[in-house]
Amino acid sequence: DVKVTQSSRYLVKRTGEKVFLECVQDMDHENMFWYRQDPGLGLRLIYFSYDVKMKEKGDIPEGYSVSREKKERFSLILESASTNQTSMYLCASSPRTALRSYEQYFGPGTRLTVT
Amino acid sequence: DAKTTQPNSMESNEEEPVHLPCNHSTISGTDYIHWYRQLPSQGPEYVIHGLTSNVNNRMASLAIAEDRKSSTLILHRATLRDAAVYYCILTRAGNQFYFGTGTSLTVIP
Repeated sequence: DVKVTQSSRYLVKRTGEKVFLECVQDMDHENMFWYRQDPGLGLRLIYFSYDVKMKEKGDIPEGYSVSREKKERFSLILESASTNQTSMYLCASSPRTALRSYEQYFGPGTRLTVT
Repeated sequence: DAKTTQPNSMESNEEEPVHLPCNHSTISGTDYIHWYRQLPSQGPEYVIHGLTSNVNNRMASLAIAEDRKSSTLILHRATLRDAAVYYCILTRAGNQFYFGTGTSLTVIP
C-alpha cells in the first residue's frame, strides 16, 4: 500500500519561529510536491522537486524554502513564520514519466497555526 | 494557465447517479484531465484521468467532450461516502497540477 506521511497533523508556532514540515514517501517516487490549502483558494503549489537536491518554485514560493537531501524525504521550511502562513499544508509524490498521466499521492496534511 | 471552472457545490440523493461538470476551454492538445476528490480531514485522492476518450474505472466514469473543452465526472450510484470536494485538474508543463477550488458534493440520505 502506497504511503505518504507528514511529520505532524497539527502544529502551533509563534510568529518569527523557524518551522520545518517533513514529508516522507515509501514509493520510490522521483517527484515530490508541497501545496497549501486555504478556504476559497483551493490547493496552491508552493515548491516541487524532480529529484534529489533539485527544486522548482511553484505558484506561491515567497516565504518558503525546501530541502530534498534524500529521495524519499521532502522538507518545507518557513524561515520566519508569519500569521498569513497559517494554513493546511499538503505533501504529494508521483513517479517520473514522460507522459502527463500519472497519479499524485497525497499525505494527510499538516494544519499549521502561527500565532 | 490551464485553468478549470467547476460549480461551487452540488447535491445528490443517495443511490442516484451524479454528473459533476468541468469546463476547461484553454486546454492544450497534450493536457490530461484528472479528477481528484478530498474527503473531510484527508488529503486529496485520485479518482480518474483521461486524454481524449471516455474512461471507466471502479470508482467513476469520465466523459470528455469531443472538443475537449469540457468534461463530466460520473458517479453511477452516489453513497454517503462520496460526499467530498471534487477537483477537476489539467496538467501543465513541468508536471504541475492546477487544482482550483473544486465542487463540494453533498449526498442526501
